[in-house]
Amino acid sequence: KAGVTQTPRYLIKTRGQQVTLSCSPISGHRSVSWYQQTPGQGLQFLFEYFSETQRNKGNFPGRFSGRQFSNSRSEMNVSTLELGDSALYLCASSLVGQVTDTQYFGPGTRLTVL
Amino acid sequence: AQSVTQPDIHITVSEGASLELRCNYSYGATPYLFWYVQSPGQGLQLLLKYFSGDTLVQGIKGFEAEFKRSQSSFNLRKPSVHWSDAAEYFCAVGATGGSYIPTFGRGTSLIVHP
Repeated sequence: KAGVTQTPRYLIKTRGQQVTLSCSPISGHRSVSWYQQTPGQGLQFLFEYFSETQRNKGNFPGRFSGRQFSNSRSEMNVSTLELGDSALYLCASSLVGQVTDTQYFGPGTRLTVL
Repeated sequence: AQSVTQPDIHITVSEGASLELRCNYSYGATPYLFWYVQSPGQGLQLLLKYFSGDTLVQGIKGFEAEFKRSQSSFNLRKPSVHWSDAAEYFCAVGATGGSYIPTFGRGTSLIVHP
């Protein structure tokens, strides 16, 4: 069974631009979560999607948004990029997103904002 | 609010030596606890998890962890470390019941000397 895939793996943008990251979950998984990992703040939960609906959201500004498609693939978008948005963005999928499910992580997208 | 503390930023051990990584949590009830490993350039991989029952939990790659309620700890152990264990290790706590929204510790970087 293929794992979680994220595209692109690396991205360089400039301040003020917007970016879209993509995540394809493991087949059969309906929950997709996004995380931001930075040296300063560590790993932080961004949001979780289940059945095309955002079910949970972390403490991030509205510039961070996402969506999920009917095939469970998910995208996250960051508008008006700031230098502090430079991070590794991780996507994880699980069957239904319950705390008892096992989350499987993708390799991440490394975003650099110049 | 839930929180996780990993007191050791770096730990250095010799190959073949035993390992213990510390994790302390703060949560109002019995938490769901997790240990993840992240190799360079990779996403997170779940090593083990504790929900209830036996307080000594066995995981993959020869790791185990012990939940101690009195000390609010969930330390990760391995009797004999291999060079391939060099990685970043994250402890996480998730609220009981409902969706999985983890809070991660800042991580412990494990260095293995030959």
